[in-house]
Amino acid sequence: DQQVKQNSPSLSVQEGRISILNCDYTNSMFDYFLWYKKYPAEGPTFLISISSIKDKNEDGRFTVFLNKSAKHLSLHIVPSQPGDSAVYFCAAWSSGTYKYIFGTGTRLKVLA
Amino acid sequence: DAGVIQSPRHEVTEMGQEVTLRCKPISGHDYLFWYRQTMMRGLELLIYFNNNVPIDDSGMPEDRFSAKMPNASFSTLKIQPSEPRDSAVYFCASSLDRALNEKLFFGSGTQLSVL
Repeated sequence: DQQVKQNSPSLSVQEGRISILNCDYTNSMFDYFLWYKKYPAEGPTFLISISSIKDKNEDGRFTVFLNKSAKHLSLHIVPSQPGDSAVYFCAAWSSGTYKYIFGTGTRLKVLA
Repeated sequence: DAGVIQSPRHEVTEMGQEVTLRCKPISGHDYLFWYRQTMMRGLELLIYFNNNVPIDDSGMPEDRFSAKMPNASFSTLKIQPSEPRDSAVYFCASSLDRALNEKLFFGSGTQLSVL
């Protein structure tokens, strides 16, 4: 049973436009969420996070939105750049289990 | 800081052989995690350690998998005997205090192919 779902395996966006990556979760006990970026042949690296007490967190071109009632979060990248082409994983953490649960990832391709 | 170091980067083996993956966490990190990446399931947590003690191994697929952490700077994940369905990328990650939602730092992974 996949508790964290990224339903879009891939996404293509033109350079300069907005990229929106989505993530849904099923467990209402999750209270912290992160996004990781992964380039080929490298490990995932931390990108941005959000606590469940917030609905938005922004860091430069990256903004994460959290809708707790819908159990949905999204990552917005504006403007998208070719260097953003990577696989993006969302992850959810619960203080009850002390574990990060990752989604299956979305491959973003930013076209020059 | 050298980051999390994993070896080997690639491992190709035949079904039935023993495979040992190695990890050196970031110095000072108290938590170490083993994840497996597959297309179908994304990043799955296999097991994690706190201060060298296994805390949760509920993600270990079956008895063929075992993990050890003999000291704070070294961990192994062993598969014996290996099967083709074990083919995946295996990541090791470490972090500081778990209770503070500390983010994970990942190694570059080991690409395992079992023929």
